Amino acid sequence: QVQLVQSGAEVKKPGASVKVSCKASGYTFTSYHMHWVRQAPGQGLEWMGIINPSDGSTSYAQTFQGRVTMTRDTSTSTVYMELTSLRSEDTAVYYCGRNIVGGWLDYWGQGALVTVSS
Amino acid sequence: DIVMTQSPDSLAVSLGERATINCKSSQSVLYSSNNKNYLAWYQHKPGQPPKLLIYWASTRESGVPDRFSGSGSGTDFTLTISSLQAEDVAVYYCLQYYGTPRTFGQGTKVEIK
Repeated sequence: QVQLVQSGAEVKKPGASVKVSCKASGYTFTSYHMHWVRQAPGQGLEWMGIINPSDGSTSYAQTFQGRVTMTRDTSTSTVYMELTSLRSEDTAVYYCGRNIVGGWLDYWGQGALVTVSS
Repeated sequence: DIVMTQSPDSLAVSLGERATINCKSSQSVLYSSNNKNYLAWYQHKPGQPPKLLIYWASTRESGVPDRFSGSGSGTDFTLTISSLQAEDVAVYYCLQYYGTPRTFGQGTKVEIK
C-alpha cells in the first residue's frame, strides 16, 4: 500500500532553515512526481512546489522562489523540502503529496509541524 | 496564476440535508483536447491530511461515499453532499491541476446546524 511518512515536528528560530523529509513506499518512487503543500494556522492549503523524483527537476511557487529547495534521494525513496530564512509566518503544517498521472494529489503524508519562534 | 474562489466560506446544514459548495476559477480548466476539467475536491479534517474526494470535476475517488458528487465545467464547479452526516464536518477545498502553479480555493467550512 502507498505510504508517505514525514519527519517529525520542528521548532526553529527566525532566520534559520528547516528540512522536512517524506519517505515513500508501496509504489515505484521515480514514477510519480511529489508536491509540497502547507497550511498555516487558521489558513487554507498553499501549494509550494513539485519535484520529479526521476530526474530531480523542480517547479516552485513564486511565493517561495529563492527560499525553497526540493530534492530527492532515490536510494531511500525520500524527497526533501528545505525552507530557509524562516519567519514566524512560516509556522505551518507541511505536507508532501503524490502527484497522480492526471495531475492531482492522491496520497498525502501525515504532515510535519514547523514552528518558527524566537 | 489561476485563482480559485469558493463560496460560501462556511455553511451550517442540518443532518440529512444537502450541502452545496461552489468553486469558480479565474480561467477555464477545461482542456479541449480531451474534454476533461482539471479540477479536484478534497476534504480536510483537523489533525489529518487532506482526503481526495473527486477528480476530473466529477469522478468519485474509490471508497468515497456516493453522497459526495461533483459537477460543473469550464470555470464553475460544485461539490454536493446529498445527505450530510456527522462525519462530513470538515473544510472542503477545490484544486485546479490545469497548470502550474497548482492553486487551491480558500476552503469552505461545513458544520452541523
